[in-house]
Amino acid sequence: DVKVTQSSRYLVKRTGEKVFLECVQDMDHENMFWYRQDPGLGLRLIYFSYDVKMKEKGDIPEGYSVSREKKERFSLILESASTNQTSMYLCASSTGQGREQYFGPGTRLTVT
Amino acid sequence: QKEVEQNSGPLSVPEGAIASLNCTYSDRVSQSFFWYRQYSGKSPELIMSIYSNGDKEDGRFTAQLNKASQYVSLLIRDSQPSDSATYLCAVREAGANNLFFGTGTRLTVIP
Repeated sequence: DVKVTQSSRYLVKRTGEKVFLECVQDMDHENMFWYRQDPGLGLRLIYFSYDVKMKEKGDIPEGYSVSREKKERFSLILESASTNQTSMYLCASSTGQGREQYFGPGTRLTVT
Repeated sequence: QKEVEQNSGPLSVPEGAIASLNCTYSDRVSQSFFWYRQYSGKSPELIMSIYSNGDKEDGRFTAQLNKASQYVSLLIRDSQPSDSATYLCAVREAGANNLFFGTGTRLTVIP
């Protein structure tokens, strides 16, 4: 079974803090993705990566950056957290052919 | 802007009935189609994928794809209360690595 893990299930941070969310997959998938999910807005793609050190902006990259130094690990960084970044953050991975994506359990981030 | 449209619901069906969930998409070059189930507070879980026109069955689930009409549907037979969840439709266009998701349909199965 594909396993995608995320570093925290719940996280509370203060405005202005730098926040790191980590995601690890164990299936040697080429592609990894970061989404945020908000009520009524569905899943919105923040960034994705199709190879080590490669990244592409998604629909809402502003205020975020990513890092992929190893194939199995994809990190999302909030450079200076703001209250409008309070959300559920979901990591996913897929094979190079871009077929089905498998999601991690999610991190519910609250910025106060 | 690619669009994936779903009726947000809620859709309520009695236990044992067939639940029918629909999804339409705007991009004619969309190639792969997926249905995810998401329980409240949990992450999406893949339940079906379909790549060619017609029906694909897996247990109580049947996915139906009609590329000419640009819709994909999910039928759940013998609905159970444990099927109560939000169902997300996702599509991938040819050559792309990312998926486009609908906002989901909330299904409630009434015992």
